[in-house]
Amino acid sequence: AQSVTQLDSQVPVFEEAPVELRCNYSSSVSVYLFWYVQYPNQGLQLLLKYLSGSTLVESINGFEAEFNKSQTSFHLRKPSVHISDTAEYFCAVSEVDSSYKLIFGSGTRLLVRP
Amino acid sequence: DGGITQSPKYLFRKEGQNVTLSCEQNLNHDAMYWYRQDPGQGLRLIYYSQIVNDFQKGDIAEGYSVSREKKESFPLTVTSAQKNPTAFYLCASSLGTSRGADTQYFGPGTRLTVL
Repeated sequence: AQSVTQLDSQVPVFEEAPVELRCNYSSSVSVYLFWYVQYPNQGLQLLLKYLSGSTLVESINGFEAEFNKSQTSFHLRKPSVHISDTAEYFCAVSEVDSSYKLIFGSGTRLLVRP
Repeated sequence: DGGITQSPKYLFRKEGQNVTLSCEQNLNHDAMYWYRQDPGQGLRLIYYSQIVNDFQKGDIAEGYSVSREKKESFPLTVTSAQKNPTAFYLCASSLGTSRGADTQYFGPGTRLTVL
């Protein structure tokens, strides 16, 4: 069975500082990896996803994540955060070519302070 | 505008009542999903449907029921058998053409509270 671990429930950071949100997964088969963002009282939006190819994927708003197969990780990073990045971030995995199901981590709340 | 709508935004239910949450999409997606979100637990899959008139149980289907009579609609009924229904409910949809690789698009959610 697959599982996703987001060890940090909350990450406080000052504006313009770098941030890393950690995600580790467990699976016996190949996986696709996703990061979703949820602003307060809203649904989730896709931030970025890894399907194949380059292990470094980027989003349009400056976030990036790197797939590390040996460490089974897909950490999310941003070199300089803004107040508007305050939100909850969810890492998720799905099995390659075998299921529509997404397995989500418990989420990390990013709190950006001025 | 294309997207997913959920109604109502807030719903209050008395114990013993069944309630139905609406989910509509105009993205022409084949697959639709219902998730439950509780604080500190992420999202858990209740039901999903890959095509009209077909649906499968997710990880926490007990106490819930769904129907998929139209491509655009995937209503969720929370029955009186669900012992702890207070939660935030999210509906999502995806193209359904690339298993596992599909991006899921989420609605704004319905917050259900049992009085």
